Amino acid sequence: DVKVTQSSRYLVKRTGEKVFLECVQDMDHENMFWYRQDPGLGLRLIYFSYDVKMKEKGDIPEGYSVSREKKERFSLILESASTNQTSMYLCASNYVDSLYQPQHFGDGTRLSIL
Amino acid sequence: SQQGEEDPQALSIQEGENATMNCSYKTSINNLQWYRQNSGRGLVHLILIRSNEREKHSGRLRVTLDTSKKSSSLLITASRAADTASYFCATVTGANNLFFGTGTRLTVIP
Repeated sequence: DVKVTQSSRYLVKRTGEKVFLECVQDMDHENMFWYRQDPGLGLRLIYFSYDVKMKEKGDIPEGYSVSREKKERFSLILESASTNQTSMYLCASNYVDSLYQPQHFGDGTRLSIL
Repeated sequence: SQQGEEDPQALSIQEGENATMNCSYKTSINNLQWYRQNSGRGLVHLILIRSNEREKHSGRLRVTLDTSKKSSSLLITASRAADTASYFCATVTGANNLFFGTGTRLTVIP
């Protein structure tokens, strides 16, 4: 079974802090994604990566950056956390031939910025 | 940008009844996928239907797709309390573009 592991289930940080969310997948997937999920808004794509060191902006990249130094690991970085970044963050991955491939999700990180 | 919109937003049924959720979208798609999310957890893929398919089955799940109306439906037959979850449709228009709706929250009462 595919396993996508997010480093923390719950995280509390303070405004202005630099926050790192980590995601690791064990299926050698080329594509990795970061979403945020908010009530009434569904899932929105922040960034995705289709290869090591490659990244593409999603729908809401402002205030975020990403890092993909190894194929299995994709990190989301909040450069200077703000309260409006309090949300559920979900990582996902799939193969590069992804038109008919489902995305596999981690269990999410519920991030609170105080 | 958000592609799919589910209807209803919330649905409450008795165990054993069927549950139907609908999804509408705005532009041409390559395929449409349905996901399930238990409370506080990640999403789990349920079923994928390609744009040239009209109906697909998987166990107690039946998905239909009407590309002329830009809509899809997910039917769960003989529902169980364990089916209680949120259900999302997601449309695929390009290689890495998966657009999720806001979801239908299903409650199955034992």
